Amino acid sequence: GAVVSQHPSRVICKSGTSVKIECRSLDFQATTMFWYRQFPKQSLMLMATSNEGSKATYEQGVEKDKFLINHASLTLSTLTVTSAHPEDSSFYICSARFWESYNEQFFGPGTRLTVL
Amino acid sequence: EDKVVQSPLSLVVHEGDTVTLNCSYEVTNFRSLLWYKQEKKAPTFLFMLTSSGIEKKSGRLSSILDKKELFSILNITATQTGDSAVYLCAFETSGSRLTFGEGTQLTVNP
Repeated sequence: GAVVSQHPSRVICKSGTSVKIECRSLDFQATTMFWYRQFPKQSLMLMATSNEGSKATYEQGVEKDKFLINHASLTLSTLTVTSAHPEDSSFYICSARFWESYNEQFFGPGTRLTVL
Repeated sequence: EDKVVQSPLSLVVHEGDTVTLNCSYEVTNFRSLLWYKQEKKAPTFLFMLTSSGIEKKSGRLSSILDKKELFSILNITATQTGDSAVYLCAFETSGSRLTFGEGTQLTVNP
């Protein structure tokens, strides 16, 4: 149980385009979803926290107009990287939790974004 | 500013060795400390620690938290090549937000 999926697993795009990444909880309703970014040889950095039906809370230094997060249902959150640039190339990972998980977060497999 | 520091950053051992990974933290609103193992993809959960001095065990892995001295250790006994990974320590604050350390890259050679 508690499986989180992400799609796509890998995406390559041209500079200036927008990319949407989906995060789904497959067998539970996720009250909260989190989006992380991980650059090579670095640790995970929390970008934002999203609760279903409300606006995402962004961490300091993360541009909310560039990284659009939508948590439209209890099983789906999307992250859209708008006008992507090479410096946005990174590994994007989502996680999800539900009320009964006692704050444990379940991570998705991640999405490797490469911006040319 | 909240922070978590892991040491060593890198460790190379032989199969059968025992390793101890360290994690120290400074946080204003501590709720729990978590350990994850990360191989090629996303982290997999190992332990969640909330109480000081209570060891948690899972097979060859164990972990303990010291809330007075603000650190945690992760022990792996009888290491195997499959233990090679990055081990991440994170603390949880309000709203279930996680702040991760840099990780310890463990390499277990046959």
